[in-house]
Amino acid sequence: GENVEQHPSTLSVQEGDSAVIKCTYSDSASNYFPWYKQELGKRPQLIIDIRSNVGEKKDQRIAVTLNKTAKHFSLHITETQPEDSAVYFCAASINSGTYKYIFGTGTRLKVLA
Amino acid sequence: DTEVTQTPKHLVMGMTNKKSLKCEQHMGHRAMYWYKQKAKKPPELMFVYSYEKLSINESVPSRFSPECPNSSLLNLHLHALQPEDSALYLCASSVYYSGTGTYEQYFGPGTRLTVT
Repeated sequence: GENVEQHPSTLSVQEGDSAVIKCTYSDSASNYFPWYKQELGKRPQLIIDIRSNVGEKKDQRIAVTLNKTAKHFSLHITETQPEDSAVYFCAASINSGTYKYIFGTGTRLKVLA
Repeated sequence: DTEVTQTPKHLVMGMTNKKSLKCEQHMGHRAMYWYKQKAKKPPELMFVYSYEKLSINESVPSRFSPECPNSSLLNLHLHALQPEDSALYLCASSVYYSGTGTYEQYFGPGTRLTVT
């Protein structure tokens, strides 16, 4: 079945630096890749997503890139701020009518002031 | 209304109790989900309802019983739970984009369940 690997599991950066989180998926039929941010005690929030017909998408300080050939996608956060500190989950979804996401294992990002 | 809501926020129950979790959305989403999340882990899918019919059951023990009374409501009935069932239970709903055949999922705030 589908598997999504996420690295690193923890990431510490200085405020203002960039952070990159990478995910690799196994099923080439996957066509939708969302990223969620989960602050402590809060719900996972959809922060950005990318569909398989697009190579890159940007929203202010956040960007996601997709390499379909290599089957990996990455989250890029620039000019990090303390409020970016959270756990980030990637996910992959297949258009098979099953409505199912496969989540990565999560990355705990700490932005040091 | 652009939100998924869940009640209660916190629940403590004994192993012989029966309780229910409630989830509501008024965004017209036709797929709704129950997830279980343990600390420092990703959400783990339990059930999916599509157009008010159960479409996925991820081999969840029968002590968890889902119900979808209508397109806006989703319940999770709990009975004879074990301490290891203590977790954050998240509800989600999703909107389907026919042009791309993809789904965006939105989560509720969760119910923090403790089984004693």
